[in-house]
Amino acid sequence: NAGVTQTPKFQVLKTGQSMTLQCAQDMNHNSMYWYRQDPGMGLRLIYYSASEGTTDKGEVPNGYNVSRLNKREFSLRLESAAPSQTSVYFCASSSGQTYGYTFGSGTRLTVV
Amino acid sequence: AQSVTQLDSQVPVFEEAPVELRCNYSSSVSVYLFWYVQYPNQGLQLLLKYLSGSTLVKGINGFEAEFNKSQTSFHLRKPSVHISDTAEYFCAVSDPSGSARQLTFGSGTQLTVLP
Repeated sequence: NAGVTQTPKFQVLKTGQSMTLQCAQDMNHNSMYWYRQDPGMGLRLIYYSASEGTTDKGEVPNGYNVSRLNKREFSLRLESAAPSQTSVYFCASSSGQTYGYTFGSGTRLTVV
Repeated sequence: AQSVTQLDSQVPVFEEAPVELRCNYSSSVSVYLFWYVQYPNQGLQLLLKYLSGSTLVKGINGFEAEFNKSQTSFHLRKPSVHISDTAEYFCAVSDPSGSARQLTFGSGTQLTVLP
């Protein structure tokens, strides 16, 4: 099925560990995004990539890095996980700002 | 900078009753407006969007929203809700003139439909 695929779906990390969240889309979208969702705070933008080869910081980039590997893939890396990074992470893609986003099903990350 | 305020964090309503979920935005420029729905343990799905033209926008599952520029509002309505409408609803805004193209989301409204 066409859409946005995120892996893994669940992850538990110890404080200080690193990990990479993977995201791939097969809709030939130019733009991709990483958001985190926390109770009562909605979704906050971490990083985005307007097109292949470019990345920019969003509202809450501290503690994260991203890589736009090619047009399909956009990964999010936590170099040294902290309990404050416990959240649900969503990847999304878009063909342009008039069309809204297509979201992945999310990664639930717990840092202990 | 843009911001979105969803005035109600929780809205309980009985089945077959009408519902309105409120959304106000703050922006100094023209915007695009969106409503998304999130069912438990799922990603977000687009319900409807306002880009230009008619201020009354119809979406999926019988929902509609009205753009009111003077009140900077984009409230979501449904005349008769079903149990299956229980979900969290997010209002979002996008700046058409910005290079970023990102959406700014509100904090969400949990709609609970009671039997």
